[in-house]
Amino acid sequence: DAGVIQSPRHEVTEMGQEVTLRCKLISGHNSLFWYRQTMMRGLELLIYFNNNVPIDDSGMPEDRFSAKMPNASFSTLKIQPSEPRDSAVYFCASSLVMGVGSGNTIYFGEGSWLTVV
Amino acid sequence: GQQVMQIPQYQHVQEGEDFTTYCNSSTTLSNIQWYKQRPGGHPVFLIQLVKSGEVKKQKRLTFQFGEAKKNSSLHITATQTTDVGTYFCAGPRGGGSEKLVFGKGTKLTVNP
Repeated sequence: DAGVIQSPRHEVTEMGQEVTLRCKLISGHNSLFWYRQTMMRGLELLIYFNNNVPIDDSGMPEDRFSAKMPNASFSTLKIQPSEPRDSAVYFCASSLVMGVGSGNTIYFGEGSWLTVV
Repeated sequence: GQQVMQIPQYQHVQEGEDFTTYCNSSTTLSNIQWYKQRPGGHPVFLIQLVKSGEVKKQKRLTFQFGEAKKNSSLHITATQTTDVGTYFCAGPRGGGSEKLVFGKGTKLTVNP
């Protein structure tokens, strides 16, 4: 069974350009998370969807970041315009949430390595 | 907000030595999870602890959840070079929330 699939794996872009990261969930999972990882800040939760609905976007850094989940299996994270400080590894992760407090294992994709120059 | 703190940030050991990383939460957790990230890789789930005082073992790895459900530890006996990576603990943000907050991780290097 395929895991979480992310694209692109690597992207180098110039400051000011739009960046779109893509993610396909594990089949049957109902929750999607976007994380950002940097040396300084570690793994930060950016946004969380449950059943295609954004539940918590409090981690989204600013208005330049937006995330969508147009269907149950696919999500995009967009940065417009991009800045050098956005350089990081962006992980998408999915989970099957059975209920509050049940504990849910998160399955990470291999990440999108973004460099903004 | 709820925070998960991990220590140490880095640990370098000789192969065969033991290793322990500690995780502390500012609030009581309904469960705690541990993940391992190999260099250049992505975090991979290791285990989940749910009960107060719970201890679970996976071969040379021993995971413990504190009685107050606010702290946890991961102990590796006789480290091997394959244990190299960063170990993260993660707890639900806010009670039983399904959103996980990750600690900063402990980066383990093993000298052969």
